[in-house]
Amino acid sequence: DQQVKQNSPSLSVQEGRISILNCDYTNSMFDYFLWYKKYPAEGPTFLISISSIKDKNEDGRFTVFLNKSAKHLSLHIVPSQPGDSAVYFCAASAGGYSTLTFGKGTMLLVSP
Amino acid sequence: DTEVTQTPKHLVMGMTNKKSLKCEQHMGHRAMYWYKQKAKKPPELMFVYSYEKLSINESVPSRFSPECPNSSLLNLHLHALQPEDSALYLCASSPGQGQNFYGYTFGSGTRLTVV
Repeated sequence: DQQVKQNSPSLSVQEGRISILNCDYTNSMFDYFLWYKKYPAEGPTFLISISSIKDKNEDGRFTVFLNKSAKHLSLHIVPSQPGDSAVYFCAASAGGYSTLTFGKGTMLLVSP
Repeated sequence: DTEVTQTPKHLVMGMTNKKSLKCEQHMGHRAMYWYKQKAKKPPELMFVYSYEKLSINESVPSRFSPECPNSSLLNLHLHALQPEDSALYLCASSPGQGQNFYGYTFGSGTRLTVV
């Protein structure tokens, strides 16, 4: 049973436009959410995170939105650049000593 | 040094071989993790070490044997693997187990092929 779901395996966007990657979760104990970016032949790298006490966190071109009632979060990338083309993983943590639970990932392709 | 270094990057081994994967970090992190990732799947947690002690073993078969010789090193000893164990093995570290504010720092992984 997947507790973190990324239902879109892939997304194609033109350079300069907005990319929106979505993530849903089922475990109401999750209180911390993270996005990772992964290039081929590299490990995932941390991108941005959000605590459950917030509904938005922004870092440069990247903004994460959290809707706790819907158990949904999204990552917005504006403007999208070709270098953003990668697999994006959503991850969640239930606090305490818990570890991260990952979604399956969404492959983003930004074309020039 | 803000990296997690994994060696080797690629490994091909037979089902009767014994090999080891190595992971090293010098960030002073006290929690280290082994993940397994197959194509089009999320990383799956295998083991967690916290302060050099095994904290979590996610019911991993005994043909995978982790070892944490010191706070900077994490090994994964492999013996009698099956072809279905072929995957990308990722090592990660964090300041402490559950201290997820800045996420984990991942290595580049070892691509393992069992023949």
